[in-house]
Amino acid sequence: EVQLVESGGGLVQPGGSLRLSCEASGFTFTYYHMHWVRQAAGEGLEWVSTIDAAGDTYYSGSVKGRFTISRENAKDSLYLQMNSLRAGDTAVYYCTRESDGNAFDIWGQGTMVTVSS
Amino acid sequence: SYELTQPPSVSVSPGQTAGITCSGDNLGDRFAYWYQQKPGQSPVLVIYQDNKRPSGIPERFSGSNSGNTATLTISGTQAMDEADYYCQAWDRSTVVFGGGTSLTVL
Repeated sequence: EVQLVESGGGLVQPGGSLRLSCEASGFTFTYYHMHWVRQAAGEGLEWVSTIDAAGDTYYSGSVKGRFTISRENAKDSLYLQMNSLRAGDTAVYYCTRESDGNAFDIWGQGTMVTVSS
Repeated sequence: SYELTQPPSVSVSPGQTAGITCSGDNLGDRFAYWYQQKPGQSPVLVIYQDNKRPSGIPERFSGSNSGNTATLTISGTQAMDEADYYCQAWDRSTVVFGGGTSLTVL
């Protein structure tokens, strides 16, 4: 079964750091571009970051310089290192796979990140 | 930066056709994608590259994209189709989502 499972969310104080993980299974992880998308409570979807199959990275303006996306193909895993966290980063963070058709065809269940003192 | 605009809500009666629009500058020049999200669940891809349906998505879901507007059409809408729908497009190497449309079936 093709699956993405996120972990690492939790409660963190403003200015703190957190590292999210996403473990892939059921497909050849190395071949795919991978993304993080977040959703604040009651709000819409917001793209956060991309790492393509070659390892090139892209970030939304709201997280550039604070977040770092990475991947470890040997472990079929995607990561998001989040530093200098703000209240506005509070959201459910989804890991998602980009298909051959450039669509987000597989989504994880999400992991909740709460930034609060 | 590129922006996509969706109506906040759309209502439809069961069995009727629902249309959800997504507007963006010359959106028809790029592919549009659509996702369905039910409460407490992760998004699900329902249309990709304007009008293609992934495996497992019912035929009542269709899409079009021309000019400045992409449209998701649900024919013979069922109660199970009540959800939030998001359009999405690519802006160079970045991803843009519309604000989402809440579809009510009543």
